[in-house]
Amino acid sequence: EVQLWESGGGLVHPGGSLRLSCAASGFTFSNYAMSWVRQAPGKGLEWVSGISGGGHNTYYADSVKGRFTISRDNSKNTLYLQMSSLRAEDTAVYYCAKDDYCTIGSCYSGFWGQGTLVPVSS
Amino acid sequence: DIVMTQSPDSLAVSLGERATFNCKSSQSVLYSSNNKNYLAWYQQKPGQPPKLLIYWASTRESGVPDRFSGSGSGTDFTLTISRLQAEDVAVYYCQQYYTIPRTFGQGTKVEIK
Repeated sequence: EVQLWESGGGLVHPGGSLRLSCAASGFTFSNYAMSWVRQAPGKGLEWVSGISGGGHNTYYADSVKGRFTISRDNSKNTLYLQMSSLRAEDTAVYYCAKDDYCTIGSCYSGFWGQGTLVPVSS
Repeated sequence: DIVMTQSPDSLAVSLGERATFNCKSSQSVLYSSNNKNYLAWYQQKPGQPPKLLIYWASTRESGVPDRFSGSGSGTDFTLTISRLQAEDVAVYYCQQYYTIPRTFGQGTKVEIK
């Protein structure tokens, strides 16, 4: 059974940093691209970042480029999102997602974790 | 970026009736070399993460009931729930994966009339 478990969310002040983790199980982690998608309270879905199975290719939304870094440790079956220079508009539930098919970084996601909330507020 | 626009924003349908809603992309998501539409549909129930329903515009994900069907090509797509059940109350999102960044529609909220 595929499982994705995000952690690391919590209140952070504007300008602060946070690292999210996503522990994966139930599938061969290194064979799949992974993504982070966020959802601001009461709003729709916004793709944030993606990474190839081997970790060599990374992709970012313009809204987070230069502030967020996606990475993975295939030996630990874990996906990460390092977030810095956080802004109020980054407040959202952050989901990690297993990407079942990708076209040069643009994918559809076959399974999503439960999400972790990141409120950015002073 | 490809803009995805869904209509209507919300829809109230009686139990057992058909629910149909639409998704339009600002440019074609049909890849001519393989004749595939790079369009997915997700269902998000309250308090839950999104769940993949449909990919390639019309292929149902494993385990998805056959009352859900997707259609369309190019820039215009439709998701149909043939006989609405109570458990189908959710927000439905379309998403293109033709190019990066992947983009989502704003969602259609389906409720029971």
